[in-house]
Amino acid sequence: AQTVTQSQPEMSVQEAETVTLSCTYDTSESDYYLFWYKQPPSRQMILVIRQEAYKQQNATENRFSVNFQKAAKSFSLKISDSQLGDAAMYFCALFGNEKLTFGTGTRLTIIP
Amino acid sequence: KAGVTQTPRYLIKTRGQQVTLSCSPISGHRSVSWYQQTPGQGLQFLFEYFSETQRNKGNFPGRFSGRQFSNSRSEMNVSTLELGDSALYLCASSLAQEGDYMQEDTQYFGPGTRLTVL
Repeated sequence: AQTVTQSQPEMSVQEAETVTLSCTYDTSESDYYLFWYKQPPSRQMILVIRQEAYKQQNATENRFSVNFQKAAKSFSLKISDSQLGDAAMYFCALFGNEKLTFGTGTRLTIIP
Repeated sequence: KAGVTQTPRYLIKTRGQQVTLSCSPISGHRSVSWYQQTPGQGLQFLFEYFSETQRNKGNFPGRFSGRQFSNSRSEMNVSTLELGDSALYLCASSLAQEGDYMQEDTQYFGPGTRLTVL
C-alpha cells in the first residue's frame, strides 16, 4: 500500500514571506508521480505543481517550487512571496500503483 | 476550454434513499475518476472510468457504483444511503491513454457535489 503523510495540519506565513510545506510518502513503485493540489474555501481542487519521480530536477511553477528527495521519500512545497490568495488547504498526492493517494492536508493561513 | 463540471452542487437526501451524481469532463479528456472527501477519512479514491469501462476501483462497498457514457460524461450512484455517506464528492478528468490500467496523467478536478444524508 502507498501512503502520503503531511505532518503539519496548519501553517501560517506573513504576506510576501516564504513558507515550506512538508510531505513524505511511501510506495513500492519505482515509477510514480507526485503532486501538490490547493483547495481554497470554494472547495475547488487546483493543481499547483507536478513532479515525475524519474526526474531529478525539482519542478518549479512561478512562485511555487518543490524539493524532491527521492531517497528520503520527501516532497516539500515552497511558496515564495506569499500572497493572500495562497490561503487554502494544500494536499500532497502520489500517483502510483494505478491510483492517486492524498495526504491529510495542511491548512495555510496568510497573515497580512 | 471549459473545466470539469459537476451537478448538482448540493444535495440533501435521507437514509435509505439513492442518489446519482453527474460529472462532465474537460473536452477531449477520456478518463474520469471519483473521490470522496470527508473530515474524518480525507480524500479517498472511489473508481476510474476510461472509454466506458471501469479500470480501477478503491475500497468502497458495492453500494457505490458508476458508469461512463460514450461522450465521456460519468455518473456515480450511491444506493441505500447511510449517514456516513455525507461528504464532498469530487470528480476529476484527465487525457489518459489507451490501456487496461490507469496510467498517470494529471487530473483536473471539478467543484464537487456536497451530499448531506439526514
